[in-house]
Amino acid sequence: SQKIEQNSEALNIQEGKTATLTCNYTNYSPAYLQWYRQDPGRGPVFLLLIRENEKEKRKERLKVTFDTTLKQSLFHITASQPADSATYLCALGGDDMRFGAGTRLTVKP
Amino acid sequence: GVTQSPTHLIKTRGQQVTLRCSSQSGHNTVSWYQQALGQGPQFIFQYYREEENGRGNFPPRFSGLQFPNDSSELNVNALELDDSALYLCASSQEGGIQPYNEQFFGPGTRLTVL
Repeated sequence: SQKIEQNSEALNIQEGKTATLTCNYTNYSPAYLQWYRQDPGRGPVFLLLIRENEKEKRKERLKVTFDTTLKQSLFHITASQPADSATYLCALGGDDMRFGAGTRLTVKP
Repeated sequence: GVTQSPTHLIKTRGQQVTLRCSSQSGHNTVSWYQQALGQGPQFIFQYYREEENGRGNFPPRFSGLQFPNDSSELNVNALELDDSALYLCASSQEGGIQPYNEQFFGPGTRLTVL
C-alpha cells in the first residue's frame, strides 16, 4: 500500500542552525511534491512545489530536493528562527493529493 | 483568500451537515480534505469547473458541489463519531500551461460529532 513517512514527529533545533526535514514514500509515483507549513488551529500554507523532473528548488531560506529514485524529498530551512516553529507537511500529488502526518519543528532561541 | 464557514460545528450521530467554502477569486479548482488530530490532511475529493475530478477513499455519504461563483459545499450524511475532524478546503488554478499549482487553504471547519 502507499505510504508517506516524515522523518520524525518532532524536531528541536537551535536558532541559526539548518533544519532538515525528510519525506519518504513507497508504492507511489508522484508527478509533484509540495511542502506546507501549518500552525495550530489553522489551515496549511503553501511553501514550495517541486515537479518530478526537477531536482532542487529554492525560495529565500528554504530549499527542497526531490529524488525519485530514492523516493525521498528533503526540506531545509537555513538560518532558522523561532518564528519558523510550526508543523511542516509534505504532500505528494498526481491523480490525487496525499499528505504525510507532518513534522513539528521547534526552533529554540 | 479562501474562507470557510462555519468555524466550529457540533452535530449528533446520524445527522447531516453542510460545510461551505469560498475559493480565491478566479480559481477553477477546489479540493476538500479531512484532518484528524495529529494527522495530515486526507484528500476527500476535488472539483474542477463544477465537475468532480478525483476522489479519495471516502464513502458516498461524503458529497460535494462547486458553484460558478467561487463557492463550494461539502455535505456529509449519516454522521458517524469518526467524522469528527477539521475539514479543510483548498482552491487552485489548474489547466494552464504549467500543470499542478499551489493550493490555497482555508482556515477549516472544526466538526464535532457526539
